[in-house]
Formats: sequence, structure tokens, C-alpha cells
Amino acid sequence: NAGVTQTPKFQVLKTGQSMTLQCAQDMNHEYMSWYRQDPGMGLRLIHYSVGAGITDQGEVPNGYNVSRSTTEDFPLRLLSAAPSQTSVYFCASSYLPLAGVSPGELFFGEGSRLTVL
Amino acid sequence: KQEVTQIPAALSVPEGENLVLNCSFTDSAIYNLQWFRQDPGKGLTSLLLIQSSQREQTSGRLNASLDKSSGRSTLYIAASQPGDSATYLCAVKGRSNYGQNFVFGPGTRLSVLP
Repeated sequence: NAGVTQTPKFQVLKTGQSMTLQCAQDMNHEYMSWYRQDPGMGLRLIHYSVGAGITDQGEVPNGYNVSRSTTEDFPLRLLSAAPSQTSVYFCASSYLPLAGVSPGELFFGEGSRLTVL
Repeated sequence: KQEVTQIPAALSVPEGENLVLNCSFTDSAIYNLQWFRQDPGKGLTSLLLIQSSQREQTSGRLNASLDKSSGRSTLYIAASQPGDSATYLCAVKGRSNYGQNFVFGPGTRLSVLP
């Protein structure tokens, strides 16, 4: 079972370069999200989506773009990388919570470790 | 704004002990609460999810309880093993903040010594 798949697992960028972190899920989840995890800061929500064509900002959206053209994929784009974006990025997905049908359990990918020099 | 805290930040116990990890949240209007385990350099693995209408959930040696009125959840681990060593995080899905999103606690780093 693939679950939530993130690529690449590791990436080193120079300041100002752009890149896309890929996230795909095969569970037909409506909800997908991106978090960054930093020492002492915990997990912080960057962007999220509740369905194809629908995205919204989380707690720390600056410097990141997202799109959701399909149910399965939710890429995270860094347009001009900065050293402050050095972090571990996690993609997570779930069914939308629906009483009596779905509790909305969240599933995570293995993470993408990004270093910006 | 929902805030989630976890106490203690770190815990070291000898193998075989029963232990309790604590999670507190400030807004009791939650939809559910989920406990995760994270091994070093890995992603988060779901352990237990408690819906707002439930008081507890059990899976093997793990038992999680929820008291919405006091804004608290506990994760009880019975007969701890060295393989339980990891960071444990709790997260709450609120009804009033970000709609669909979870807010995470900072985690408790557990070390079980052989």
C-alpha cells in the first residue's frame, strides 16, 4: 500500500533557485496539506486543500505556492528559495470528517528534507 | 486560537514501566484528537484517533483518553519496550480554527532503556 508518497526525500538548493516538492496519495482523500517541521517550532501548516481546484493558506504560507488539479496530487512550489526555508517538509492527507462515516484520520508521507544554502 | 501543549517534553524510563504522556489544548470545541509516533528522520505514524464523542480508544498496549471539558488527553503505554522509543505527538482537529486543519503539540521524546 503506497499511502502518501513524497519526492524527493532530500534536496539541496542555492538561494534564489526554485523547485517543486511532489506529494501523491492513492487513498482518494479529499483533504491534503503541507507542513514544515523545524526544531523547537513543531509542525506548522503551510497550505491545504479540501478538494481539486480548492486551496487555502495555513499558518506559514509566505514563499510557497500550491495547486490541486487532481484529487491525487498536491505539489508544493518554492519560487525563490531562501535559507529560512531549510526544513523538513511533510505532506498529509485524510478524508474530510463526516459524522458517522469518516473520523478524518490524518496520514503522513515520509518527509522531504530541504537544505537551502 | 487553538494551542496544544505536551508534558513532559522528554521522558526516560526503564523497560517494563507503564507510563503516561499528557496533551492539553485550549479550545474544547474539537472534532477529534489524534496521537502520532515519529521515529528519528521519519514521518508521523498514526497511533490512535479519538472522536469528540468518545472517551477513550485502545490499540494493543496503547490507551488514549479524552476529556474535552478539561482540555486534556492522555496516552497510556503499558509495559514499555525499547522499541517504543520515539517522539509522540498529539494533534487536535478543531471546529473553530482553520476549519479542516489539525493543530499539533510539540511532542514528548520518549526513551525506554533496556
